[in-house]
Amino acid sequence: AAGVIQSPRHLIKEKRETATLKCYPIPRHDTVYWYQQGPGQDPQFLISFYEKMQSDKGSIPDRFSAQQFSDYHSELNMSSLELGDSALYFCASSPQREDTEAFFGQGTRLTVV
Amino acid sequence: AQKVTQAQTEISVVEKEDVTLDCVYETRDTTYYLFWYKQPPSGELVFLIRRNSFDEQNEISGRYSWNFQKSTSSFNFTITASQVVDSAVYFCALSDLRMIKAAGNKLTFGGGTRVLVKP
Repeated sequence: AAGVIQSPRHLIKEKRETATLKCYPIPRHDTVYWYQQGPGQDPQFLISFYEKMQSDKGSIPDRFSAQQFSDYHSELNMSSLELGDSALYFCASSPQREDTEAFFGQGTRLTVV
Repeated sequence: AQKVTQAQTEISVVEKEDVTLDCVYETRDTTYYLFWYKQPPSGELVFLIRRNSFDEQNEISGRYSWNFQKSTSSFNFTITASQVVDSAVYFCALSDLRMIKAAGNKLTFGGGTRVLVKP
């Protein structure tokens, strides 16, 4: 079965650079979520989209922005990177129903040096 | 605000022992979902189980079982006859059912419990 695809899997950037993470949801899933998991931490919700509109927002820094495109894939743009942005970034998708869980991608490990 | 607490940071067992992971949650909502996810060393988050707040029936699925007690806001998870491949970090998570229709399954995670199963 198709899963959530995230790219790239690993990314190394320098401080103050920009990074773009991509997420391709499971087909027919119309909701996408982004989570950030710092080293030794639990995943923290950043932002979500439903039908290409932002549906909820968590602890996402102003330096970050995201969008969902017409084909339902989503991109998380991160500017002015800081060392503290080094983390595992998960994308998850789900259909807009109550009785289902979100399916997570394998994550993008971002290292800021 | 929602909160999930996993008091055990790390559990070490010998293979074939049972492991029970504790999870206590806080929410002001009367309807919600509870989840357990597994994060092996490779890093991905693997869905294990889901339970909605209406259903307190405890179940067994293979080597996994769970004990949901709404009266004590607990959702404990047990691995029976543990195996080395069970070594991972296990996260308990909560989503607000009321919000699901508007915003989807935003999850609040606990801090995770690292399980180490030794041969």
